[in-house]
Amino acid sequence: ETGVTQSPTHLIKTRGQQVTLRCSSQSGHNTVSWYQQALGQGPQFIFQYYREEENGRGNFPPRFSGLQFPNYSSELNVNALELDDSALYLCASSVAGSGYTEAFFGQGTRLTVV
Amino acid sequence: AQKITQTQPGMFVQEKEAVTLDCTYDTSDPSYGLFWYKQPSSGEMIFLIYQGSYDQQNATEGRYSLNFQKARKSANLVISASQLGDSAMYFCAMRADYKLSFGAGTTVTVRA
Repeated sequence: ETGVTQSPTHLIKTRGQQVTLRCSSQSGHNTVSWYQQALGQGPQFIFQYYREEENGRGNFPPRFSGLQFPNYSSELNVNALELDDSALYLCASSVAGSGYTEAFFGQGTRLTVV
Repeated sequence: AQKITQTQPGMFVQEKEAVTLDCTYDTSDPSYGLFWYKQPSSGEMIFLIYQGSYDQQNATEGRYSLNFQKARKSANLVISASQLGDSAMYFCAMRADYKLSFGAGTTVTVRA
């Protein structure tokens, strides 16, 4: 079991609403990445945060945004939810420069948009 | 752009036998890392094994070994002595720059 925790584990939202997902990093890890995993697919990179700033982004619209806090925990915010946003959202923490060899994932948040 | 291809949607293996999961990749970056993750039905992505693009020897971690063929751009995972608890989805991933790119995954079912 990793030290990365995500909350909530499940939630259901209505189309058009906004949602905030949370991630607490592994102790000593200063980088957090978020991924979206649709049913039956591999995870897709959303963005990465390092030192409280976004330093890389995948092919996701601006309504996907994030924050990283001084304690390296992170939030993923999604505005104007769409049905296709239904997915498992995973966060991964790592140490910058470690090459992801020590990237650990949380258990994920399953978001259902109805 | 990086691309990971896993051509086996699902595989069945008998308990105690070995299974090989295929993975090919494409990248123009000379420095990259290759990973395999296990994802049980609970959803957590569990790190199994890592191979750096400059590593000369194939990586091994317990019952997991990575068959790295750089010229062919393949990074197959071998699971030896399969156990019932190995039943899960397995993902091959590549790191280039700051992100991981994942394949579509292979479902492994271990039969008693």
